[in-house]
Amino acid sequence: DSGVTQTPKHLITATGQRVTLRCSPRSGDLSVYWYQQSLDQGLQFLIQYYNGEERAKGNILERFSAQQFPDLHSELNLSSLELGDSALYFCASSTGTGLHNEKLFFGSGTQLSVL
Amino acid sequence: GENVEQHPSTLSVQEGDSAVIKCTYSDSASNYFPWYKQELGKRPQLIIDIRSNVGEKKDQRIAVTLNKTAKHFSLHITETQPEDSAVYFCAARAGFQKLVFGTGTRLLVSP
Repeated sequence: DSGVTQTPKHLITATGQRVTLRCSPRSGDLSVYWYQQSLDQGLQFLIQYYNGEERAKGNILERFSAQQFPDLHSELNLSSLELGDSALYFCASSTGTGLHNEKLFFGSGTQLSVL
Repeated sequence: GENVEQHPSTLSVQEGDSAVIKCTYSDSASNYFPWYKQELGKRPQLIIDIRSNVGEKKDQRIAVTLNKTAKHFSLHITETQPEDSAVYFCAARAGFQKLVFGTGTRLLVSP
């Protein structure tokens, strides 16, 4: 167990709908990252938060948004869902110190299926 | 920004053989290079990492080497076992920058 908690584990919804994915980082970690992994694809970086503030942005669609709350948990909101949004969404956390050996730990992911 | 290339995309070996996966990075400021193993349907798990001031690191059957001059690093798995079958991702990071992942290598170890 990495200590990073993601809910729900599975999500099935229809095109055009909106969903929210939730992530609780490891105790003590201030930084949260979101990654998207489509079938047989790599890990596509979406966005990173550090202590409530956005730190880095990747190839995140305008239909997607995220935030990190004062208790450090994070939510990824996906709206106007399309079939191509079906993927495994991972959250990861780290201390956020930027030290050279800072380690990234992943949650178990949320499998999103858009029908 | 950083770009990480990983080869091969697929690697098939016989049990007991060695496996080598190679990655190159573009940002000379990168100083941290982890490797992750992802089994089917599971989360990526950190298996070994190396810092830029170290040329090689070993942990039982796995080892990682780093060549800063050439900007490439490799994962070596010796005496492979069927349970080593998974997708392996390399990654690189410079300081506070985000961790950039390679495209992954699917390793298949046949009994």
